[in-house]
Amino acid sequence: IAGITQAPTSQILAAGRRMTLRCTQDMRHNAMYWYRQDLGLGLRLIHYSNTAGTTGKGEVPDGYSVSRANTDDFPLTLASAVPSQTSVYFCASSDSGEDTDTQYFGPGTRLTVL
Amino acid sequence: GQNIDQPTEMTATEGAIVQINCTYQTSGFNGLFWYQQHAGEAPTFLSYNVLDGLEEKGRFSSFLSRSKGYSYLLLKELQMKDSASYLCAVNPGSYIPTFGRGTSLIVHP
Repeated sequence: IAGITQAPTSQILAAGRRMTLRCTQDMRHNAMYWYRQDLGLGLRLIHYSNTAGTTGKGEVPDGYSVSRANTDDFPLTLASAVPSQTSVYFCASSDSGEDTDTQYFGPGTRLTVL
Repeated sequence: GQNIDQPTEMTATEGAIVQINCTYQTSGFNGLFWYQQHAGEAPTFLSYNVLDGLEEKGRFSSFLSRSKGYSYLLLKELQMKDSASYLCAVNPGSYIPTFGRGTSLIVHP
């Protein structure tokens, strides 16, 4: 693989179910991020990780959890999905050692919670 | 707090020039990004401005005025494929950029 990948591409989920969105990067970037993107609201940060073993809360963390066991993987878990979590989810990574901290985004996961 | 403003939507004609503005008020500032996002796709990096002034990259240029909290993205010789959302994002110095809501640009023939 090259770059950053996400799985699944799309998912329809019943409310109350647990779901994990997967994100993997092969660029050895230190930092990784999860965003949700909703029409009219732009990209909103859910959780982030500056380096393996550490995570932090973003703007809209409630209902979501993350882990960063290694450099490459940054899964996002919805413990009990609700319809308001219907959104497009983007994972991103950046090399926090660079001056620019340019983020590279995965292709996104389109999640529908019914 | 962080506040980034950009117009919601703009339209322009193929071959023309369009300027997308972004104003920001953030608690810190290390630089400003512009990303392009086509419908149904991920955002992709366009430019990063740290110092005041204009930076040109082919048909796209980005301008920054730190004292005014202002940036713009200038697109020349517009093509139909330039129809996309353009996201302004500020790097406040914490490795966590703050994004504006994006400007949807529609290019028509």
